[in-house]
Amino acid sequence: QSVLTQPPSASGTPGQRVTISCSGNTSNIGSNTVHWHQHLPGTAPKLLIHSNNQRPSGVPDRFSGSKSGTSASLAISGLQSEDEAVYYCATWEESLNGPVFGGGTRLTVL
Amino acid sequence: QVTLRESGPALVKPTQTLTLTCTFSGFSLTTSGMCVTWIRQPPGKALEWLARVDWDGDTYYTTSLKTRLAISTDTSENQVVLTMTNMDPADTATYYCARIRYASGLAMDYWGQGTLVTVPS
Repeated sequence: QSVLTQPPSASGTPGQRVTISCSGNTSNIGSNTVHWHQHLPGTAPKLLIHSNNQRPSGVPDRFSGSKSGTSASLAISGLQSEDEAVYYCATWEESLNGPVFGGGTRLTVL
Repeated sequence: QVTLRESGPALVKPTQTLTLTCTFSGFSLTTSGMCVTWIRQPPGKALEWLARVDWDGDTYYTTSLKTRLAISTDTSENQVVLTMTNMDPADTATYYCARIRYASGLAMDYWGQGTLVTVPS
């Protein structure tokens, strides 16, 4: 059981826009910024978005993030086959002094 | 170029102690705002934060495993070591180390590929 709630799966066709949601509470998302990671099996997870909506260098602008209250979203526009992966949201939990995660959303490009 | 790599045994017997090493390059853990953390993911389950060590030597542990975990650093070797005592089959998981930077909003901006540790029943 993960602390943050994500839908287990999402899908779209090439070129489409998909969004993935992440829900928490006032002690995690409500109090801290949200980050998004992309994970392909057997590889190191990759940071896509930090601080709600900031893209690290090298991340395409097809990826965008937003946060409102105790929820956050990752949007992927112009969907490509290489976007097939598991996407995790993460944020800080004050009481833990460490990060908490969503359960992950498996994105399928049809 | 920032890299992190986990190493350690693939198989640990119940009640034994697990020792994992995270060897990193491309940054210094003594730089203000830098942290290294350990995270695990049991098969089919969610990511779980375990421990972190900060640039100033402060350490933090997840509450549920605090009595079993110890994190330490060897700054000269650019390594962070995690030990977990009294291993149980429920500890079977892929263990990751990652860098956290305060400047990135406490995001884990680089991860290792992970190492699978199996504890047989």
